[in-house]
Amino acid sequence: AQSVTQLDSHVSVSEGTPVLLRCNYSSSYSPSLFWYVQHPNKGLQLLLKYTSAATLVKGINGFEAEFKKSETSFHLTKPSAHMSDAAEYFCVVNTYNNNDMRFGAGTRLTVKP
Amino acid sequence: GAGVSQSPRYKVAKRGQDVALRCDPISGHVSLFWYQQALGQGPEFLTYFQNEAQLDKSGLPSDRFFAERPEGSVSTLKIQRTQQEDSAVYLCASSLKANTEAFFGQGTRLTVV
Repeated sequence: AQSVTQLDSHVSVSEGTPVLLRCNYSSSYSPSLFWYVQHPNKGLQLLLKYTSAATLVKGINGFEAEFKKSETSFHLTKPSAHMSDAAEYFCVVNTYNNNDMRFGAGTRLTVKP
Repeated sequence: GAGVSQSPRYKVAKRGQDVALRCDPISGHVSLFWYQQALGQGPEFLTYFQNEAQLDKSGLPSDRFFAERPEGSVSTLKIQRTQQEDSAVYLCASSLKANTEAFFGQGTRLTVV
């Protein structure tokens, strides 16, 4: 079985400073990993995905994530936060043999002016 | 349609009433997922279909919950004898095939009174 742990329920940064949202996963098989963003009263939107190609994955809106198998991590980063980045972020794991996508509990990102 | 469509968007049910939630996936998408998202929580996996086959229903919280996808396209999530704890947003997602990115609908917000 696979699972995801998002290490911070809430992250607060100032506009223009770096963002780090942490995610660790557990999977018996080679995982696919995703980051989704959910703005208030909006649907879930895919930010980026890792599916066993390059370990450094670039996504939309300047976000990127690095798959580290030795650390079982898939942390999401952005060099410079923008006010519009304030939202809930979810790390998701999927495995080839199961295809039942499991979500982390989410990290709420607050961006201060 | 261009995206995953869910109906109704909002549903208020009296305790004990049966409800049916509909999901129209993106045309041609093989995989279909249902999730339950309680207020302030991450989406919790309910069930997964590949075409018309329900391959995983381990997340359904009780035998009051039932999902079907008889022709491998539209899916219905049915909840019998609704309880207050069933109040949540029910999300549907579809993907072209296993382990590819999933596209989410806007969800159905169910309130049981």
